[in-house]
Amino acid sequence: ETGVTQTPRHLVMGMTNKKSLKCEQHLGHNAMYWYKQSAKKPLELMFVYSLEERVENNSVPSRFSPECPNSSHLFLHLHTLQPEDSALYLCASSQDRQGVSTDTQYFGPGTRLTVL
Amino acid sequence: QKEVEQDPGPLSVPEGAIVSLNCTYSNSAFQYFMWYRQYSRKGPELLMYTYSSGNKEDGRFTAQVDKSSKYISLFIRDSQPSDSATYLCAMRDTGGFKTIFGAGTRLFVKA
Repeated sequence: ETGVTQTPRHLVMGMTNKKSLKCEQHLGHNAMYWYKQSAKKPLELMFVYSLEERVENNSVPSRFSPECPNSSHLFLHLHTLQPEDSALYLCASSQDRQGVSTDTQYFGPGTRLTVL
Repeated sequence: QKEVEQDPGPLSVPEGAIVSLNCTYSNSAFQYFMWYRQYSRKGPELLMYTYSSGNKEDGRFTAQVDKSSKYISLFIRDSQPSDSATYLCAMRDTGGFKTIFGAGTRLFVKA
């Protein structure tokens, strides 16, 4: 595997389900990100982890819960989602130098989430 | 006012045309400017990365940044059907981790 991988690629879930999205980066980076991409809207930054510490949390509802067990893996745990949460969820990674992401982000292919 | 404005298109051009894609922004603190290309059902991939003002060329692609006007452009020469994708502009300042993205312009290049 190379780059940034995400599983599953597609997910359909009911509003009462609990599921998790997984991201893995094979680039040796130390910062990882979750973004939400909805149709015709800009990418919305959800969470950022640098050196396994959460450094950004952009007013995301608590039904989304991130987890970063190490610098290569990132999870997004989902529970009691709403239909408006249906979107493409993108994971990205970059190299953090002294608390600033000076390098560009490399994205995974995304998980297409549909909430019924 | 949005921090970054980008015309969503769609923009349809014939093969071989020169394509001009643009974004305007409001935050004068932005120093790093990027263009990403996103094919259908894929994640964004970095095309061009520019620091501060000026031009940068890479093959058929040229990125321009005019900080005085808060305006950035991506030019594609000799456009090909394989260039059909959504193009996202992105920018950020020198601190932190937050990159601001435009909504993307959908480009179709007809053979």
